[in-house]
Amino acid sequence: SQQGEEDPQALSIQEGENATMNCSYKTSINNLQWYRQNSGRGLVHLILIRSNEREKHSGRLRVTLDTSKKSSSLLITASRAADTASYFCATALGNTDKLIFGTGTRLQVFP
Amino acid sequence: DSGVTQTPKHLITATGQRVTLRCSPRSGDLSVYWYQQSLDQGLQFLIQYYNGEERAKGNILERFSAQQFPDLHSELNLSSLELGDSALYFCASSVTGSREKLFFGSGTQLSVL
Repeated sequence: SQQGEEDPQALSIQEGENATMNCSYKTSINNLQWYRQNSGRGLVHLILIRSNEREKHSGRLRVTLDTSKKSSSLLITASRAADTASYFCATALGNTDKLIFGTGTRLQVFP
Repeated sequence: DSGVTQTPKHLITATGQRVTLRCSPRSGDLSVYWYQQSLDQGLQFLIQYYNGEERAKGNILERFSAQQFPDLHSELNLSSLELGDSALYFCASSVTGSREKLFFGSGTQLSVL
């Protein structure tokens, strides 16, 4: 079963709008990572947030982590058509070296 | 280009057959991960190796096996193939493991007919 569940499953927005994706997980983690996948291609790492961090920024990306609620969110500001892709959260479990991926959010940004 | 090389890119085979997928990690990376991605199962963690040793195991079937060689490249062997094994298989590498980001290859698309 998946460690991470993402919400929403799909999201459609216009260019310039913000996109928010949420990830919930089940067990304690060492860190949580976000990846992007363009259709049928390899995943690309976006950002990593450690369990003792609450917020992290990278360019137009903002990630938050709430370990008490076992949840994270990814915000993409001022979205562009090129942001169209699937976005996955992945949790590094606290007591192993596994990196478990969530179900993903398909983001469509219309020009 | 992530620096992770997977071969072949596409593989078409028949049920009951055996195939080998190959992965060369980024230079300097000691850890290799294998994942299976399909429409109904999502992205499933199969197995992880670190410096030649198995370190973590996920939802890997008994028909599947993997190894990491002294030169750090890895192979995933899939045997007695079934239609349901058709999927995109990814390899990823990192220096030590899941405490840092993974770099993914472009995947091997396996079609079992």
